[in-house]
Amino acid sequence: GGIITQTPKFLIGQEGQKLTLKCQQNFNHDTMYWYRQDSGKGLRLIYYSITENDLQKGDLSEGYDASREKKSSFSLTVTSAQKNEMAVFLCASSLDAEQFFGPGTRLTVL
Amino acid sequence: QQKVQQSPESLTVSEGAMASLNCTFSDRSSDNFRWYRQHSGKGLEVLVSIFSDGEKEEGSFTAHLNRASLHVFLHIREPQPSDSALYLCAVSMVSNYNVLYFGSGTKLTVEP
Repeated sequence: GGIITQTPKFLIGQEGQKLTLKCQQNFNHDTMYWYRQDSGKGLRLIYYSITENDLQKGDLSEGYDASREKKSSFSLTVTSAQKNEMAVFLCASSLDAEQFFGPGTRLTVL
Repeated sequence: QQKVQQSPESLTVSEGAMASLNCTFSDRSSDNFRWYRQHSGKGLEVLVSIFSDGEKEEGSFTAHLNRASLHVFLHIREPQPSDSALYLCAVSMVSNYNVLYFGSGTKLTVEP
């Protein structure tokens, strides 16, 4: 079996700050995803990547950048943190139809 | 653009009474449907995945897919208080790299 690791688990930033979230997977999956979940709501797609160095925007990409420099890692940058971005950010990977999720990074903006 | 909607927004049932949750989607080409459960502050737990019209049962959870009417239902048989959680419907297409489109969820409360 494999595992998805997200760091940090908790991230506290100041409004306007640039913040980076990291995700690693050892499944050797081609496709990786970043989703955002607001409290008590469903997940929304920010970015996904179908292979190394590929980036595809999701519905929520404005205000975020992503990077896929290696097959095993996918990072997400909040370019300028806003108070209404307090949420949990979930990374996932997939080979076929099944997606595997990481434990999440909880972002708090002060 | 795929739209996924869930109803009701919240549902309260008594322990042992059937709970029925509804999910509608907009793209009839969708080929993969999942129901997830999320307890407060916890991660996503896959309950049942369904790929073709009809029913699929996993323990006390039964998903029913009707692609023609753009509906996928989840029925929970004899729910317990421990089943109180947020239930999320997710829809995807292999042709779209299995990107998951989620509904906004149904908050289920099971009263003893």
